[in-house]
Formats: sequence, C-alpha cells, structure tokens
Amino acid sequence: KQEVTQIPAALSVPEGENLVLNCSFTDSAIYNLQWFRQDPGKGLTSLLLIQSSQREQTSGRLNASLDKSSGRSTLYIAASQPGDSATYLCAVGVYGQNFVFGPGTRLSVLP
Amino acid sequence: DAMVIQNPRYQVTQFGKPVTLSCSQTLNHNVMYWYQQKSSQAPKLLFHYYDKDFNNEADTPDNFQSRRPNTSFCFLDIRSPGLGDAAMYLCATSREGQGAPQHFGDGTRLSIL
Repeated sequence: KQEVTQIPAALSVPEGENLVLNCSFTDSAIYNLQWFRQDPGKGLTSLLLIQSSQREQTSGRLNASLDKSSGRSTLYIAASQPGDSATYLCAVGVYGQNFVFGPGTRLSVLP
Repeated sequence: DAMVIQNPRYQVTQFGKPVTLSCSQTLNHNVMYWYQQKSSQAPKLLFHYYDKDFNNEADTPDNFQSRRPNTSFCFLDIRSPGLGDAAMYLCATSREGQGAPQHFGDGTRLSIL
C-alpha cells in the first residue's frame, strides 16, 4: 500500500530565503504527483501537477521535481514571502487507488 | 469563474443527529471525491463517483453515505455522527482518466456537540 511522507513537518524561515520541501512515497508506480497549498481552515489549492513521464514543473517562484525511481519529489520556493505561509501537501496518483496524500509541511515565512 | 462550491462552510450538529453536506461544481467534471481531514492530518478519501458509479473506500465507516443526483451536485450524508466525525470535509473534482488534476472546494468544517 502506498505511503506518503513529508519532511519537515514544520519549517520557519525569514522572508527572502529560498527553501525546499520534501515529499517521499514508497511505491514508484505512480501516474502523477500534485502539490497543494492549504491555508488555515480552507480547502486545497493546486500549485503544480507533474505527470509520471515528467521530471519537473515550474510556475512563477515555484519549481517541483519528480524522481520516481527514488520515490521523491521536492517543491522549491524561491525568494519566500510572508504570503507563502501555509501548509503544503503532496499527493500521488496511484494506479487503482486514486490519490494518496502526505500529512503536509507547515511553512511560516517571517517578515 | 468555474469552481467547486461547498455549503455550508461551518456546520454544527448534535451527537447522533443526521447531517448533510453539499458540494456543487461548474467544471462539468466526471469524477467527484469526498475527503475527511482531521487536524494536522492528511486528507483521507471516503468515496468517489465516476459519473454515477459509486466507489466506496474499504475503511469508510458505514454511517457515511453519498448521493450524486446529477453531474453538478454531490452530497455527503452522515447518518449518526459521533464525536470522532468532527473534521473538515473536502469535496474535489477531476476530469475522467488518471493523470487529471484534482480541484478542491473550500471545505465544510463539521463540529459535533
């Protein structure tokens, strides 16, 4: 059964820093991986979707990479801002199982 | 804007009193999902519809039911809520086929008195 972990569970950085969030999954037989942002008390906002055939996707200050063979994805946030403070979740699309989510990384960007 | 809308945003019910949460979408997506998310935990898939075909996750409690009367609407019914059912309930949609991204509503936070 697919398991998804995210390290660290929480991260606090000063404004302007570049940072990396990690997502690991146990079964490399995935068809895609999606990164989401969740603000307190709100639903999930999709940030980036990487298909299994792709190695990375970029949107503005965000870059997500995927290494299926090692079961890892990273979300890189450049020049972090206080507005980036939120919980970031990754979800893997698993054949025959739909999406499996990680528990998230809670990010605080300090002004 | 096309979107996924959940009502109400906050719902309070009494222990054992049935409650219904609703979700509507203007994306015309074939697939609709219901997730349960407890504090600081990953969203947990309860069930999903592929068009009218209902797919229940193996560990979804029996007191959770769902209805999808048409493409646009989907309902989550909790027949006899217990204190452990207090959570955020998230609705999501996607186009058919694996590889399609999911689009989420803002969720309904359910409290049990």
